[in-house]
Amino acid sequence: KAGVTQTPRYLIKTRGQQVTLSCSPISGHRSVSWYQQTPGQGLQFLFEYFSETQRNKGNFPGRFSGRQFSNSRSEMNVSTLELGDSALYLCASSLTSGSLYNEQFFGPGTRLTVL
Amino acid sequence: AQSVTQLGSHVSVSEGALVLLRCNYSSSVPPYLFWYVQYPNQGLQLLLKYTSAATLVKGINGFEAEFKKSETSFHLTKPSAHMSDAAEYFCAVSEGGGADGLTFGKGTHLIIQP
Repeated sequence: KAGVTQTPRYLIKTRGQQVTLSCSPISGHRSVSWYQQTPGQGLQFLFEYFSETQRNKGNFPGRFSGRQFSNSRSEMNVSTLELGDSALYLCASSLTSGSLYNEQFFGPGTRLTVL
Repeated sequence: AQSVTQLGSHVSVSEGALVLLRCNYSSSVPPYLFWYVQYPNQGLQLLLKYTSAATLVKGINGFEAEFKKSETSFHLTKPSAHMSDAAEYFCAVSEGGGADGLTFGKGTHLIIQP
């Protein structure tokens, strides 16, 4: 069974641009969560999608948004990029919603560099 | 609000020695606790999780962790370190069911000395 895939793996953008990252969950998984990982702030929860609906959102500005498609694939978008958005963005999938009952399987991440 | 503190951003042990990575949590409700490992340029892999079934939890690769409510701790141990254990380890907490996401500690980089 294929794992969580994220594309692209590496991305370089300039300030003010926008970016879209993609995540394909494990087949059969319906929940997708996104996390931002930086050296300073560590791993922070961005949001979770389940059945095409955003279930919860972390403490990030509105420039960070996402969506989920009917096949459970998810995208996250960051508009008006800032230098501080440089990070590793991790996607995690699970069978259903709620980290309590379902193991989250993480993808390798997308490394975003903002210049 | 939930939070996680990992004591020691870097821990160095000799190959064959005991590994002890410390994690303390803060939670207003009974927590659910996790340890993840991250190898360079890879995502996170779940080592083990505590969901109130048993206070001593055994995970993969010989790791285990003990939940101590009185100490609000969930330390990760392994009796004998192996070179392949060198990685970043993260402790995480979730306060309940639902899509509340995981709150992670800052991570501990485990260094194995030959």
